[in-house]
Amino acid sequence: AQSVTQLDSHVSVSEGTPVLLRCNYSSSYSPSLFWYVQHPNKGLQLLLKYTSAATLVKGINGFEAEFKKSETSFHLTKPSAHMSDAAEYFCVVSDLGGNQFYFGTGTSLTVIP
Amino acid sequence: KAGVTQTPRYLIKTRGQQVTLSCSPISGHRSVSWYQQTPGQGLQFLFEYFSETQRNKGNFPGRFSGRQFSNSRSEMNVSTLELGDSALYLCASSSDAVGTATTGELFFGEGSRLTVL
Repeated sequence: AQSVTQLDSHVSVSEGTPVLLRCNYSSSYSPSLFWYVQHPNKGLQLLLKYTSAATLVKGINGFEAEFKKSETSFHLTKPSAHMSDAAEYFCVVSDLGGNQFYFGTGTSLTVIP
Repeated sequence: KAGVTQTPRYLIKTRGQQVTLSCSPISGHRSVSWYQQTPGQGLQFLFEYFSETQRNKGNFPGRFSGRQFSNSRSEMNVSTLELGDSALYLCASSSDAVGTATTGELFFGEGSRLTVL
């Protein structure tokens, strides 16, 4: 069975400092992994995805994530936080057929000016 | 290319009523899935439709149902509404085309916010 665990429900950073949002996954095969962002009262938007190509994945708005099979992790990072990054972030794993998606519980990112 | 469109965006119902929500996927997408989002439970999968057939189903009571039409538009229905059904209902579409740049990616609408009084 597939699942993801987001290790922090809330993360607070100062503007201009690095962002780290942690995600561990569980999968019985090589997974497809995604990070989505949700701004208040909006739908979710894809930040980046890993589908067994390069282990370091670059996404939109300066975000990137590294797939580490040995640690079963897919942490999201950004070198310098911007006020507009304040949002809810979801780590997601899909099943083998790509038909069903399993969402983490989300990490709320606060950016302090 | 138009995105995923959900209607209505906001609605208020009372306990015992029923509600129908609509979702128009991105043109060419044949998979539509529905999610319920609440502060306490987070994002929970309701069901997924592909070419008018329910392909996957989450763990929700039978009061929650859905369907998909031949043009891939989808509706979900909740009957006998309960206070706990208050939530943001999100629809997402995806392409079944293998090997494209967006393979496996979900495209979300902005949701329908249901309040049950």
